[in-house]
Order: sequence, then C-alpha cells, then structure tokens
Amino acid sequence: DIQMTQSPSSLSASVGDRVTITCQASQNINNYLNWYQQKPGKAPELLIYDASDLATGVPSRFSGGGSVTDFTFTISGLQPEDIATYYCQQYDDHPPTFGGGTKVEIK
Amino acid sequence: EVQLVESGGGSVQPGGSLRLSCAASGFIFSGYAISWVRQAPGKGLEWVSGVTGSGGVTYYADSVRGRFTISRDISKNTVYLQMHNLRAEDTAIYYCAKDQGPAAPGTFDYWGQGTLVTVSS
Repeated sequence: DIQMTQSPSSLSASVGDRVTITCQASQNINNYLNWYQQKPGKAPELLIYDASDLATGVPSRFSGGGSVTDFTFTISGLQPEDIATYYCQQYDDHPPTFGGGTKVEIK
Repeated sequence: EVQLVESGGGSVQPGGSLRLSCAASGFIFSGYAISWVRQAPGKGLEWVSGVTGSGGVTYYADSVRGRFTISRDISKNTVYLQMHNLRAEDTAIYYCAKDQGPAAPGTFDYWGQGTLVTVSS
C-alpha cells in the first residue's frame, strides 16, 4: 500500500496566519491527491482534489500544490471556522490511503 | 441535493455480524461508485470497501477481505456493507461516501453522517 505521511500532526496559529501542511507519498502518485477537512463530530468534507483543484463551494483561501510525491495544503488567512483536522488521501493505486491527519487549532 | 444516510450500526459481540445500509438521493445512483470509510475512536480515516456505479466490481481493504461484503440495490438507491466475524478492531464510525466517478474508489465528494459500530464483549 502507498504510505501517506502528513506533517505536522498538529499546529496552533493565529487568526489571519498562513498555514501550510505537507503530505509525502511513499511513491509517485501522479497528482491523484485529495485534501479533506473534518470538523469535530462531523463527517469529512472534500476541499481539494487532484492536488490543486478546489471543490465546489470551497473558499479560495484554501489551496493545494505539489507533484509526484510531495504535496502541500495552504490556508492563506486562517479563520476561526477552519478549526479542524485535515487529511490528505491518494487514489493513484488501490487501496486509497489517507495521511494521519493534521489538527489545526487557534492560538 | 446529494444525501447519504447510513443506518444499521450498533453494539455486537466479537464474532458477530451486522449489516450497514447507505440510502442515497439527489444524484443518478448508478452513475457513481460508493465506498465505506471508517474511523476508529480518536483515530484517522481508513478506506474499507467500494463498489462501482453498476455494482459489477467490488473492492476491499486487506483488513476486511473475506469478512465484509459490499453490495448495491439500484432499485432502492442503497448500498450495503454486510460484516461478519467482527473483531474489536472493527470498532469505528462507518461513513459511506460518494465518488466523483463511476469506477474505482478515488475522490469522495459527498459523505454521510456516519454510523457507529462497537464490537465488545
């Protein structure tokens, strides 16, 4: 299985800060990389698909980048409603696998 | 509006069985693959099983293959996950998730609210 390594596992930032999360795949995943947001007690929601495409209705402060094995997820201007855990997920190879998650908190 | 509603969770003893259901609405049911993704208490997300839009091809994680069976009833717009020989490590919230396309599990663009399965003696 392809291993997805996310870092950091948690972070604390101030409102308005730029926040960046990284995700590294154990092999080339051809940009088949998604990012999800999971708020406490809720189901995950798709934010970014195919490494950099914004899902419908997602605010433009969220963005994704990277290629091959190294990917980034950025919140450009953290808002209080962004408190959540964020997961990357690859689907280049079966089975689809998720990173361990990054918990984002407000400082 | 796309909706996925899971049901069937509950408490069961090790070795027992449960059948989860995922009732779908708001989209052409046969046009999209559906997966089950689970989350153990306080842990991350784990893909469990998926079925293509037509229902003709099914996929399983190694951890559940041979114990779980996924199926879909197009006439009822419902996907099922039959779980046998349940283990303590199967304890989790089980989410059903719609895929962006009809084929192999890939991008999950809509999720249900989840149903809790607890395996304990």
